Amino acid sequence: GDSVTQMEGPVTLSEEAFLTINCTYTATGYPSLFWYVQYPGEGLQLLLKATKADDKGSNKGFEATYRKETTSFHLEKGSVQVSDSAVYFCALGGSNYKLTFGKGTLLTVNP
Amino acid sequence: NAGVTQTPKFQVLKTGQSMTLQCAQDMNHEYMSWYRQDPGMGLRLIHYSVGAGITDQGEVPNGYNVSRSTTEDFPLRLLSAAPSQTSVYFCASTQRASGGNTIYFGEGSWLTVV
Repeated sequence: GDSVTQMEGPVTLSEEAFLTINCTYTATGYPSLFWYVQYPGEGLQLLLKATKADDKGSNKGFEATYRKETTSFHLEKGSVQVSDSAVYFCALGGSNYKLTFGKGTLLTVNP
Repeated sequence: NAGVTQTPKFQVLKTGQSMTLQCAQDMNHEYMSWYRQDPGMGLRLIHYSVGAGITDQGEVPNGYNVSRSTTEDFPLRLLSAAPSQTSVYFCASTQRASGGNTIYFGEGSWLTVV
């Protein structure tokens, strides 16, 4: 079945550092890939998505490229801010309407 | 835009009590689902619905019931709460599109069973 493996945290960075959170997946067919973000005490927000190979999703300075050859969808940001501190979830959407989530990565950015 | 609305946001239950988590969406999406979030386990699918009158089990359905009498509403019922059901619950609805589906989540319901 479908599965998502993402980098275990927690990840702690200083402000303005470069961020990478790795995400790889296993799926049949041609899934869509997502990154969701959860700020402390809040719900899940869609951060970005990509629906086919080589697509790049981007939002709020975050980017992720759908790499079919490596079955990856790594999240990157060039310069993180304290306000980016949150839990990040990689997710896979198959041919149906359900999502398969990774376990989440806690990011803490210190000033 | 209301999107997906969940209530209550916080609830404390005693073991054996019953309750219903409400979920409503105003986007006319056919597909809706309930997930639970537990530390270190990501989100896991409890139940889902592909349209009014149709529901099915997800990955962790035991202890939960759902119904879908209208397109808008998808309540989740705990018939006899157990401490293992202490979790954060998210309702979601899916926008289908030829370019790929997108799932929208409610703000979550924090449930503690004592």
